[in-house]
Amino acid sequence: QKEVEQDPGPLSVPEGAIVSLNCTYSNSAFQYFMWYRQYSRKGPELLMYTYSSGNKEDGRFTAQVDKSSKYISLFIRDSQPSDSATYLCAMSTNTGNQFYFGTGTSLTVIP
Amino acid sequence: EAGVAQSPRYKIIEKRQSVAFWCNPISGHATLYWYQQILGQGPKLLIQFQNNGVVDDSQLPKDRFSAERLKGVDSTLKIQPAKLEDSAVYLCASSLERVSGYTFGSGTRLTVV
Repeated sequence: QKEVEQDPGPLSVPEGAIVSLNCTYSNSAFQYFMWYRQYSRKGPELLMYTYSSGNKEDGRFTAQVDKSSKYISLFIRDSQPSDSATYLCAMSTNTGNQFYFGTGTSLTVIP
Repeated sequence: EAGVAQSPRYKIIEKRQSVAFWCNPISGHATLYWYQQILGQGPKLLIQFQNNGVVDDSQLPKDRFSAERLKGVDSTLKIQPAKLEDSAVYLCASSLERVSGYTFGSGTRLTVV
């Protein structure tokens, strides 16, 4: 079983829609949870990070962590064509050296 | 602040040849990472440096891959000899603190033919 599972999509939505991106994980020791956005032929760019459980909001983006279900989500409100990219979740333990990444979900927002 | 610089952006080599990638992290970032991202997959850690010391190289195929970070700043990743399955994007990242996340470079896209 992979450490982190993420539906690769692709996901296609109309402009203005609410987008929900999700990851599940198996390691209950994960405490740091991050979302990265990766445009084509670019490196991943950090969008959001949360520690332990709960919600975090930043503009149109909301990250949620449900540690009891080992499930994290990223919501994008009022999606824009510029949000079209691949979204990667990543997570780590308190003491671990590395972040474990999901495979990424490809999102296209249609004008 | 300047980002993480990587070169070259693209490289095509034949199998069994050697190749080297270079990374210059963000100034002041003590921790440097090399990740391999195969098409359609998430990045996988190859090696982590803290200053010029190796913290984790457990997933580095040491029979063909090597990396160094002299003087705790720039880093090079080398593959010798390359195999077809090494075709991937090699991403360098650096961080000030682990909790703040990484800053990635744009990567080097390697194609082995």
